[in-house]
Amino acid sequence: GAVVSQHPSWVICKSGTSVKIECRSLDFQATTMFWYRQFPKQSLMLMATSNEGSKATYEQGVEKDKFLINHASLTLSTLTVTSAHPEDSSFYICSATGLAGAMSYEQYFGPGTRLTVT
Amino acid sequence: GQNIDQPTEMTATEGAIVQINCTYQTSGFNGLFWYQQHAGEAPTFLSYNVLDGLEEKGRFSSFLSRSKGYSYLLLKELQMKDSASYLCAPMDSNYQLIWGAGTKLIIKP
Repeated sequence: GAVVSQHPSWVICKSGTSVKIECRSLDFQATTMFWYRQFPKQSLMLMATSNEGSKATYEQGVEKDKFLINHASLTLSTLTVTSAHPEDSSFYICSATGLAGAMSYEQYFGPGTRLTVT
Repeated sequence: GQNIDQPTEMTATEGAIVQINCTYQTSGFNGLFWYQQHAGEAPTFLSYNVLDGLEEKGRFSSFLSRSKGYSYLLLKELQMKDSASYLCAPMDSNYQLIWGAGTKLIIKP
């Protein structure tokens, strides 16, 4: 149980275009979803936290108009990178929480999406 | 501020035992997670400690001392597939995970 999927696994886009990444919880209802970015050999960096039906909470330094997050249902959150530039190239990972009980705060991670902007 | 301190890299031999230490400072504390992350992949859950003491799960064990702000992950009977980064992630008072850069573990035959 507790499977999270991401789509696409990897994407290459041209500078100035927008890219949408989907994150789905397959077998549980995700009350909270997290979006991370990770550059090579660096730690996970939390970009934003989203709760179903409400606006995402962005971390300091993350442009909310550039990284649009929509959490429209308890099983789906999307991250749209608008007007992507080469410096946005990174590994984007989502995670979700939502199981009841002692492990309700465990974050289940999706497999990640590798974005390359040319 | 909030801080995680782990060794950057460790090397061990196949079949041996290795202990990865982690010290942390957080605003409040709601438990500590250990995750494994292979290169190019997302993290996978290994363990969760919220009370002091040792939690054993197969070849992996995790220890926590809240008063010392200290945890370790113990890996026994090392296998080549254990080569990965190991991330210590305490949870602060807002139930937010605090991530460090992790420890890259290299297993040699």
